[in-house]
Amino acid sequence: AQTVTQSQPEMSVQEAETVTLSCTYDTSENNYYLFWYKQPPSRQMILVIRQEAYKQQNATENRFSVNFQKAAKSFSLKISDSQLGDTAMYFCAFMKPWGAGKSTFGDGTTLTVKP
Amino acid sequence: DTEVTQTPKHLVMGMTNKKSLKCEQHMGHRAMYWYKQKAKKPPELMFVYSYEKLSINESVPSRFSPECPNSSLLNLHLHALQPEDSALYLCASSQDLGIQETQYFGPGTRLLVL
Repeated sequence: AQTVTQSQPEMSVQEAETVTLSCTYDTSENNYYLFWYKQPPSRQMILVIRQEAYKQQNATENRFSVNFQKAAKSFSLKISDSQLGDTAMYFCAFMKPWGAGKSTFGDGTTLTVKP
Repeated sequence: DTEVTQTPKHLVMGMTNKKSLKCEQHMGHRAMYWYKQKAKKPPELMFVYSYEKLSINESVPSRFSPECPNSSLLNLHLHALQPEDSALYLCASSQDLGIQETQYFGPGTRLLVL
């Protein structure tokens, strides 16, 4: 079975600074996808970024980037130039082949961006 | 249009009531999901539908009954719920069940069972 671990239940960062959220996972699969989802307070969950395990290049989306270390089974999210709107709960998720759409989610990290 | 809509936004029900949650998407997605989410916790998968057929039932109690009348609609029928069923119920959809597919979430229905 797959497991996803987010070791930081809560984090805070000053506006305009950079913060890194950690995620580690355990799997015996060789191909899979990893996702970071963001859930702002009382708002819906949206995808931030995703990474295919076969791709060595780290995914980036504007101010969001990942550090994907396949051998270490690590998938951290870096948020640059943090903005107040980045305040949210962030979930790391894993999807394996033939999983019939079932994702394994980490417990989440609550990020607060302070003015 | 990348929107998943859910109604109602809030629902309060007694343990003897029957109610339904509704989810709709018009993105042409063929996979739809129901999740249950407790406060400060990750979503827990309940059901997955693929091409209007139930693909996954995560051993959910029978007091929760899903229905997929067509490819755009997903309902969750509730009957004889318990107070511990109070939670945020999220609907999501994706193009299909491929591992690369992003799930698009609705805003959720916040359910309180008294």
